Amino acid sequence: DIQMTQSPSSLSASVGDRVTITCRASQSISSYLNWYQQKPGKAPKLLIYAASSLQSGVPSRFSGSGSGTDFTLTISSLQPEDFAIYYCQQTYSTPLFGPGTKVDIK
Amino acid sequence: EVQLVESGGGLVQPGGSLRLSCAASGFTVSNSYMRWHRQAPGKGLEWVSAIYSGGTTYYTDSVKGRFTISRDNSKNTLYLQMNSLRAEDTAVYYCARDQSGSGYYYSDYWGQGTLVTVSS
Repeated sequence: DIQMTQSPSSLSASVGDRVTITCRASQSISSYLNWYQQKPGKAPKLLIYAASSLQSGVPSRFSGSGSGTDFTLTISSLQPEDFAIYYCQQTYSTPLFGPGTKVDIK
Repeated sequence: EVQLVESGGGLVQPGGSLRLSCAASGFTVSNSYMRWHRQAPGKGLEWVSAIYSGGTTYYTDSVKGRFTISRDNSKNTLYLQMNSLRAEDTAVYYCARDQSGSGYYYSDYWGQGTLVTVSS
């Protein structure tokens, strides 16, 4: 079975910071990788699909990259509304989410 | 506008049953890939079940034989029948619509979630 890891598990950052979150698969998943944002008490929101495609309506400060086993979600300039938990998800095989990365205020 | 509204959650004893509903608007459930995901309190996300437009169904191993996903095309509604419930099934359950393209799948719309608590 494919395993997903994310690093870091949490980070503290300031408004305006560039933030990078890494997701790693235990075997190659090509580009079958999605990123979601979840705020407390809310449903997840799709940010990036197919590793690097920006979902309609998502601000361009969010970007995704990678293929194979290593992937990155980058927020170019962190905004107050971006403090949340971010999950990656592989859909190469049985869908599996990563454990999440919590981004909070420094 | 696409909307998904779940209902049917609540408190149930171990071994009991519950049926979750997900009423959809703005698109046709029978023409779409639909999923149920869940999130245990304070934990991460877990995919539970899926039904594809052709009617094929899929389940995560931990719910196989206990949960059944289905849809009512006349009501444009997705269901999750949950039997033999266990404490570890306690979670917020989300229905979601999947989009697909070039073999890629992603849940682009999610409902607000409904809480299922399995406890005596």
